[in-house]
Amino acid sequence: EVQLVESGGAVVRPGGSLRLSCTASGLRFDDYGMSWVRQAPGKGPEWVSGINWDGSSPGYADSVRGRFTMSRDNDKNSVYLQMTDLRAEDTAFYYCARLTDGSTGPYNWFDPWGQGTLVTVSS
Amino acid sequence: DIQMTQSPSSLSASVGDRVTIACRASQSISNYLHWYQQKPGKAPKLLIFGVSNLPNEVPSRFTGDGSGTDFTLTINSLRPEDFGTYYCQQSYDAPYTFGQGTRLDIK
Repeated sequence: EVQLVESGGAVVRPGGSLRLSCTASGLRFDDYGMSWVRQAPGKGPEWVSGINWDGSSPGYADSVRGRFTMSRDNDKNSVYLQMTDLRAEDTAFYYCARLTDGSTGPYNWFDPWGQGTLVTVSS
Repeated sequence: DIQMTQSPSSLSASVGDRVTIACRASQSISNYLHWYQQKPGKAPKLLIFGVSNLPNEVPSRFTGDGSGTDFTLTINSLRPEDFGTYYCQQSYDAPYTFGQGTRLDIK
């Protein structure tokens, strides 16, 4: 069974930084692209970032581009989301999700998702 | 960005009913349309991929249809465990956007 476990969520002040981690098990990790998807309380999901199997071509939503950086370490079966200049509107549950194959291109879906980690940006 | 619009935003139905949720894309997305089910306090779970394909563990009472810009999710013979919020999502073009969700309550 594929499992994804996120960690690193916390309460942080506006302008602060945070690094989220997601560790995978039950799969050949370097066969798959990965994504981060967030969901603000009471809202629908929002795709944040995606990365290819080899760490190439990370893509970002406009709302986070230039502030967030996604990376991966295949030796540790992990992906990361480095978040800087955090804003109140970044408050959300952050989920990592496996993509369909090794790339982040079209015809990908998110399956499975981790349990999520909560990021709260507040003074 | 491709906008995804779901209707209705919420609905209430009885066990055994047939329920249909619509999803419209702001431009053609071919068959790059997927559905998720989310229960309170849980992560979304893939329900249908590529318009009409079910993962192995999803019951056959869930069906998907559509093409281009208009898509539907139908739940035949509603069961109590089908309550939750349903989201459509396009993966035709980044950013990969979701609909605003349809909350399904069981009467």
